Amino acid sequence: DQQVKQNSPSLSVQEGRISILNCDYTNSMFDYFLWYKKYPAEGPTFLISISSIKDKNEDGRFTVFLNKSAKHLSLHIVPSQPGDSAVYFCAASDNTDKLIFGTGTRLQVFP
Amino acid sequence: DSGVTQTPKHLITATGQRVTLRCSPRSGDLSVYWYQQSLDQGLQFLIQYYNGEERAKGNILERFSAQQFPDLHSELNLSSLELGDSALYFCASSAGGFGQFYGYTFGSGTRLTVV
Repeated sequence: DQQVKQNSPSLSVQEGRISILNCDYTNSMFDYFLWYKKYPAEGPTFLISISSIKDKNEDGRFTVFLNKSAKHLSLHIVPSQPGDSAVYFCAASDNTDKLIFGTGTRLQVFP
Repeated sequence: DSGVTQTPKHLITATGQRVTLRCSPRSGDLSVYWYQQSLDQGLQFLIQYYNGEERAKGNILERFSAQQFPDLHSELNLSSLELGDSALYFCASSAGGFGQFYGYTFGSGTRLTVV
């Protein structure tokens, strides 16, 4: 049972435009959400997070939006840069320190 | 360098064999997590240790076991290996078991190929 779903395996965006990566979850007990970024031959690195008491968190070019009623979160990258090309994982926590990850979305930013 | 060290980086072995993957957490981190990433799959949580004790268990097969030693390094033992065990195995660490707030720090993984 996949509790965290990233339904788009890949996304291609032009440099300078907005990238929107989506994530859906099924467990209403999740109360903390994170995004990780992974380059080839490296481990995932923490990008940004959001608590369930908020609906938006911003860090530079990265913004995460949370819609609890829809059990949906999204990561916006504005403007997108070629160095953002990577696999992005959504993850969720249910008040334990165990993270449940989605299957990832491969973002390609082209010139 | 994330501070989390995983060895070996690559491992090729035959079906039926046993292997040990090793992880040294970031300095000061007490929690160690093991994840498996198979082809086209997300990161599947296997097991977590906190300061030497098992804290949480995920979809870890009975053929797999892990432990965390007094110096906080951890080992993941995979036995009776099958072709389907071929995957990337990641170790991550966090400070004080609050990984959900500060995020995990991942190692670069061990790529296991079973032939």
